[in-house]
Amino acid sequence: GQNIDQPTEMTATEGAIVQINCTYQTSGFNGLFWYQQHAGEAPTFLSYNVLDGLEEKGRFSSFLSRSKGYSYLLLKELQMKDSASYLCAVSDSNYQLIWGAGTKLIIKP
Amino acid sequence: DGGITQSPKYLFRKEGQNVTLSCEQNLNHDAMYWYRQDPGQGLRLIYYSQIVNDFQKGDIAEGYSVSREKKESFPLTVTSAQKNPTAFYLCASKDGRDYNEQFFGPGTRLTVL
Repeated sequence: GQNIDQPTEMTATEGAIVQINCTYQTSGFNGLFWYQQHAGEAPTFLSYNVLDGLEEKGRFSSFLSRSKGYSYLLLKELQMKDSASYLCAVSDSNYQLIWGAGTKLIIKP
Repeated sequence: DGGITQSPKYLFRKEGQNVTLSCEQNLNHDAMYWYRQDPGQGLRLIYYSQIVNDFQKGDIAEGYSVSREKKESFPLTVTSAQKNPTAFYLCASKDGRDYNEQFFGPGTRLTVL
């Protein structure tokens, strides 16, 4: 079967760094997406990885290892507005997205 | 401004009634999707459409129906056959290229009383 695993909840301090992990087992792989979703709102696109390595975009970076079925989202210089859920999604062999349950990130002052 | 709109934001219905959720996009995207989101679960695909007048069932299509008569519009009907319809419903669209990200509407929270 297809499976995406992420931690349910994480807590971090304002100004710190946090790493949110995602492991996957899917039928085929055509890239991995990270989305941010504030409570009650729509998910918004953060990053896309299809090749191994690190993609950096401002305070956010995303890493992929296809051989390990593993990705992480790294958030630096955390701000209170970063409190949200972070969703990992894998594009499978049919280019359909398989979604993880999301990681709720709580930022404390 | 280009984007995806869903209406209404909140919807209440009595059990046994059909209800239609609206989704409109002006991004000129070919593909459109309907997802359901429940607490503690990932987004689950209900239906998707890659071109006008064509659509396919997703993982949880039972109790739902859709139409795609226009490129801009992809309404979802939640029928009385859906056993547990109370949920947050998200519509998304994507440019035809497979590696592109999906853009989401603001969602409709449906509560069936």
